[in-house]
Amino acid sequence: DVKVTQSSRYLVKRTGEKVFLECVQDMDHENMFWYRQDPGLGLRLIYFSYDVKMKEKGDIPEGYSVSREKKERFSLILESASTNQTSMYLCASNRSGTREQFFGPGTRLTVL
Amino acid sequence: QKEVEQNSGPLSVPEGAIASLNCTYSDRVSQSFFWYRQYSGKSPELIMSIYSNGDKEDGRFTAQLNKASQYVSLLIRDSQPSDSATYLCAVLRGYGQNFVFGPGTRLSVLP
Repeated sequence: DVKVTQSSRYLVKRTGEKVFLECVQDMDHENMFWYRQDPGLGLRLIYFSYDVKMKEKGDIPEGYSVSREKKERFSLILESASTNQTSMYLCASNRSGTREQFFGPGTRLTVL
Repeated sequence: QKEVEQNSGPLSVPEGAIASLNCTYSDRVSQSFFWYRQYSGKSPELIMSIYSNGDKEDGRFTAQLNKASQYVSLLIRDSQPSDSATYLCAVLRGYGQNFVFGPGTRLSVLP
């Protein structure tokens, strides 16, 4: 079974803190994605990566950065957390050329 | 216009009825369409994909695609309370490798 894990299920941070969200997949997938999910807005793509050290901006990259130093790991970084970044963050991965995405359990981040 | 639109619901149907969920998309180049189910507090899971015009059936689920109308639907026959969830329509962007999701439709199946 494909497994996508995320470092935390719940996280509470303060405004201005630097926040790291980690995602690891164990199926050697080339593509990895970070989304945030908010009520009424659905999933919105923040960043994605199709290879190690490669990254592409999604629809809402402002205030975020990413890092992919190893194939299995994709990190989302909030350089200076703000209250409007309070959300559910979902990581996903898939094999290049395939279409199904596999999602991690999500991290609910609250910024106070 | 949003790229992918869905009625937010909630859509309530009695147990045993057919639930009909609809989705429209704006990018005419899109070729791949997906339905994900998301239970409250859980992550999305893929239940159907469709790439060609027409119907695709899998058990109690039927996906329908009409590219000319830019319309995708999901029918759930013999709805069960366990089908109560939010259903997300997703579209693979024209020539890319990334996806755009609709806001989801919340379905409630009443016993």
